[in-house]
Amino acid sequence: DTAVSQTPKYLVTQMGNDKSIKCEQNLGHDTMYWYKQDSKKFLKIMFSYNNKELIINETVPNRFSPKSPDKAHLNLHINSLELGDSAVYFCASSRSLNTEAFFGQGTRLTVV
Amino acid sequence: DAKTTQPPSMDCAEGRAANLPCNHSTISGNEYVYWYRQIHSQGPQYIIHGLKNNETNEMASLIITEDRKSSTLILPHATLRDTAVYYCIVLNSNTGKLIFGQGTTLQVKP
Repeated sequence: DTAVSQTPKYLVTQMGNDKSIKCEQNLGHDTMYWYKQDSKKFLKIMFSYNNKELIINETVPNRFSPKSPDKAHLNLHINSLELGDSAVYFCASSRSLNTEAFFGQGTRLTVV
Repeated sequence: DAKTTQPPSMDCAEGRAANLPCNHSTISGNEYVYWYRQIHSQGPQYIIHGLKNNETNEMASLIITEDRKSSTLILPHATLRDTAVYYCIVLNSNTGKLIFGQGTTLQVKP
């Protein structure tokens, strides 16, 4: 059983489109995150949610909107995609804010 | 948020111990040191964490200096599968935010 699963694994789309990436964790964790890894391989946090409440929004453009329908899911919706949004997006979860995080396998987004 | 400094790359012979250093001189008293690794393009994998005592688990050992300004991750018997980028991170326990630096690229050689 995959602990943190993301779909899709690969996403190729045109500029200007709107797309969503889904994330689900079956670990019973209260906290979920989205991280972005750019072409230079730097990993940077975008959002964190604790018990469905937004904790961190790291100066991410408002074209990016996370949605947490329940504690097991944190989806990422992106409007008006730009070339610079091309990256690998990782979802993660942890039992609480001060415990280790478990990461999904990533979604490679390519905007053409 | 406490910053960490790691060497950009290290080599290790297969079967030998790999010792990966990390400096975190601005760490606060209640902040934990976490280590993760990323193998190729997979998701980061948690390895170990500690506050001030040395820690050991099935993957690695973590040695934290008494002043907590630096730590060393030890992989006791490195294998080729341990080739990865290793990240030393100080966790902000109020936000859960992991700040990833450049990490250390460990190359295990036969």
